[in-house]
Amino acid sequence: QVQLVQSGSEVKKAGSSVKVSCKASVDTFATSAINWVRLAPGQGLEWMGATIPLFGATDYPRMFFGRVTISADTSSSTSYMELSSLRSEDTAVYYCAAAKFVKISADMGGGFFYYYIDVWGTGTTVTVSS
Amino acid sequence: DIQMTQSPSFLSASVGDRVTITCRASLGISDYLAWYQQKPGKIPRVLIYSASTLQSGVPSRFSGSGSGTDFTLTISGLQPEDVGTYYCQRYNLAPLIFGGGTKVEIK
Repeated sequence: QVQLVQSGSEVKKAGSSVKVSCKASVDTFATSAINWVRLAPGQGLEWMGATIPLFGATDYPRMFFGRVTISADTSSSTSYMELSSLRSEDTAVYYCAAAKFVKISADMGGGFFYYYIDVWGTGTTVTVSS
Repeated sequence: DIQMTQSPSFLSASVGDRVTITCRASLGISDYLAWYQQKPGKIPRVLIYSASTLQSGVPSRFSGSGSGTDFTLTISGLQPEDVGTYYCQRYNLAPLIFGGGTKVEIK
């Protein structure tokens, strides 16, 4: 059974940063893209970015570029998501989630082909207070 | 970036009803579309991938169709345990955009 175990709930002040961890099995870490997705109250799922630990690569959507940092520690099979300049709208449950991937050759444009997400983490509640 | 638009955002139906949720991509995405279900207080799970392939263990009352820009998730015979929010997601290339979600309730 593939598992992604996340760190515990956090309460943060507006303007500060939060760092959430996600520990995977060695096999999952080596063969997956680790995505980060959040669900804010009254909102829908929002993709925040992904890391591919095998290649040390990351992808971010435009709306989070510069405010979110996703990293991977291969020695402990742990991914981290750090969100800075927190505001009340960042109050949400944050999930890590694994998806298979394929590396696209340079002559085909490079980058990565992501598959659908098939394993979700336990979720971490982050509450931002003013 | 490609936008994914779901409709309706909310629907209420009776047990046994056939329910249809649509998802439209702003650009063609071939069949690189997944549907997820998130029950209240639970983590999401994938129901359908490649637009129409049922994930192992998902009841056969769920089905998906479409290609290019227009996709559909159908529940043939709504059950009480189907209450939750359903999301489409374009995958294949970053950014992996989710639709806005459709909340399904029992009438």
